[in-house]
Amino acid sequence: GDSVTQMEGPVTLSEEAFLTINCTYTATGYPSLFWYVQYPGEGLQLLLKATKADDKGSNKGFEATYRKETTSFHLEKGSVQVSDSAVYFCALSKSSASKIIFGSGTRLSIRP
Amino acid sequence: ETGVTQTPRHLVMGMTNKKSLKCEQHLGHNAMYWYKQSAKKPLELMFVYNFKEQTENNSVPSRFSPECPNSSHLFLHLHTLQPEDSALYLCASSQDPGQGAGNTIYFGEGSWLTVV
Repeated sequence: GDSVTQMEGPVTLSEEAFLTINCTYTATGYPSLFWYVQYPGEGLQLLLKATKADDKGSNKGFEATYRKETTSFHLEKGSVQVSDSAVYFCALSKSSASKIIFGSGTRLSIRP
Repeated sequence: ETGVTQTPRHLVMGMTNKKSLKCEQHLGHNAMYWYKQSAKKPLELMFVYNFKEQTENNSVPSRFSPECPNSSHLFLHLHTLQPEDSALYLCASSQDPGQGAGNTIYFGEGSWLTVV
């Protein structure tokens, strides 16, 4: 079945460091890919998405490129801030299905 | 503000109580969802409704009873819960898949439930 695998956390970085959170997927067809973020005490918010191969989603300095050849959608940011501390979820959905499949989440902590 | 509103934000209930969680979406979506998020566990999809009809029930115990009176409202009725049911319950909505690609899902802020 379809699935999403993302790197286990927690990930701890210093402020202004470069961030990569790996995400790979298994799916038939052509899924759309998402990154969601959950700040402490809140629900999930859509961070960025890509709906077809080679698309790049970007928001708030974060980027992820839909790589069909490697079935990956890694999240990157060039310079993280303390306010980026949160749990990040990679996810996929297909237009033929009415649900979205989430990875297990990666907790990110940024030190001042 | 995501367009999905959940109430109450926090709920403490005893194991013999009956309570309900409410979700309302203002996005014109046709699909609505309940997810459970427990500490140190992945997000668990509980129920999916599409055009008010339940399309998925992921083996959820009957002490959780969903209700979807229309495409904008979703309830989760709770009765005789157990302490291990304490979690964050997230409501979400999305466009019906047949109306567009991508199927972006929008979440509410969640209802924190504590069962004592």
